[in-house]
Amino acid sequence: KAGVTQTPRYLIKTRGQQVTLSCSPISGHRSVSWYQQTPGQGLQFLFEYFSETQRNKGNFPGRFSGRQFSNSRSEMNVSTLELGDSALYLCASSLFLAEETQYFGPGTRLLVL
Amino acid sequence: GESVGLHLPTLSVQEGDNSIINCAYSNSASDYFIWYKQESGKGPQFIIDIRSNMDKRQGQRVTVLLNKTVKHLSLQIAATQPGDSAVYFCAESNSGGYQKVTFGTGTKLQVIP
Repeated sequence: KAGVTQTPRYLIKTRGQQVTLSCSPISGHRSVSWYQQTPGQGLQFLFEYFSETQRNKGNFPGRFSGRQFSNSRSEMNVSTLELGDSALYLCASSLFLAEETQYFGPGTRLLVL
Repeated sequence: GESVGLHLPTLSVQEGDNSIINCAYSNSASDYFIWYKQESGKGPQFIIDIRSNMDKRQGQRVTVLLNKTVKHLSLQIAATQPGDSAVYFCAESNSGGYQKVTFGTGTKLQVIP
């Protein structure tokens, strides 16, 4: 069974731009969570989607948004990029909502210049 | 508030020796703990988990110890191999309602050949 895939793997943007990241969960998994990982803060929870609905949200500004499609694939969007948004963005999938064990993708490394 | 942290940011061990990676948590309500391994350029990979009704759990070459009295978690890796070189971080969550998972910042394990 294929693992979680994320595209693109690397991205360079400039301040003020917006970006969309994509995540395809493990086949059969219906929950997708997004995390931001930085050296100083570690893994920070962004939001979780299940059945095309955002079920929970972390403490990030409204510039960070997401959505989930009927096939459970998810996208994350960051608008008006700031330098501090440079990070590794990880997607994790699980069978159901709020499961403790999640399977992570390789991440998208975003660099904002 | 809740926090999960690691005592040592970097740990260097000789190949073949045992490694011990520590983690402190502050939320006494946490009842589920996970250790993840993250290799360079990859997403976190589940290693082993433990629930609060247990003190010890063993996997293949790995053992997790939980000391609820001092809110301390450790990961022991037996006969450390070069392939074990990675960042290891712990995560905690508490059941009851939505299981929010809090991640530590990580410890880098360097295996010296």
